[in-house]
Amino acid sequence: AQKITQTQPGMFVQEKEAVTLDCTYDTSDQSYGLFWYKQPSSGEMIFLIYQGSYDEQNATEGRYSLNFQKARKSANLVISASQLGDSAMYFCAMRGPHSGGYNKLIFGAGTRLAVHP
Amino acid sequence: DVKVTQSSRYLVKRTGEKVFLECVQDMDHENMFWYRQDPGLGLRLIYFSYDVKMKEKGDIPEGYSVSREKKERFSLILESASTNQTSMYLCASSLSLASYNSPLHFGNGTRLTVT
Repeated sequence: AQKITQTQPGMFVQEKEAVTLDCTYDTSDQSYGLFWYKQPSSGEMIFLIYQGSYDEQNATEGRYSLNFQKARKSANLVISASQLGDSAMYFCAMRGPHSGGYNKLIFGAGTRLAVHP
Repeated sequence: DVKVTQSSRYLVKRTGEKVFLECVQDMDHENMFWYRQDPGLGLRLIYFSYDVKMKEKGDIPEGYSVSREKKERFSLILESASTNQTSMYLCASSLSLASYNSPLHFGNGTRLTVT
């Protein structure tokens, strides 16, 4: 069965420091995609970053990078130089042939990040 | 930018009422989705649609139905609302079904309370 596990219900970080949010996944697929979303208190889910299972380089988008370790089935999100506006809920998600087909994005339970001044 | 708009931010309904949650996207996406979000459970797929008048059940379709009469609009219907349907409902759209790198674009969510 396809599954996403986020083991950190809550994290906090000092402003301007880096933080890593953990994500492990379970899949028998060889080809799949991994996503991270941010959900601020306003409720909107904001797409942050994508990593394909065959991508050799770790994905980066501005201050966000994805530490992809395929053998360990982990896809941790690294936020560099944290800002107060980074305080939000963060979700890891996966999409692949056996996650209900191309259509289904499977989500983890989320990690709530608090950035302290 | 993709814009996904959910008609209501907050909704309070009584048990047994028929409830309509509306979602509109402005990017001509073929695919639209309804998710339910509950604390500790993440997001769970209720229904999705890959074309007008086409729909597929997700993980938790019981107690819900959907309607897609126009490409830009996808409605979630609670036939007879119950208290266990109190939740945050998120609508999303995406361009491609065939590509794993196609992200979902979400609306702001509707927080539904059934009393």
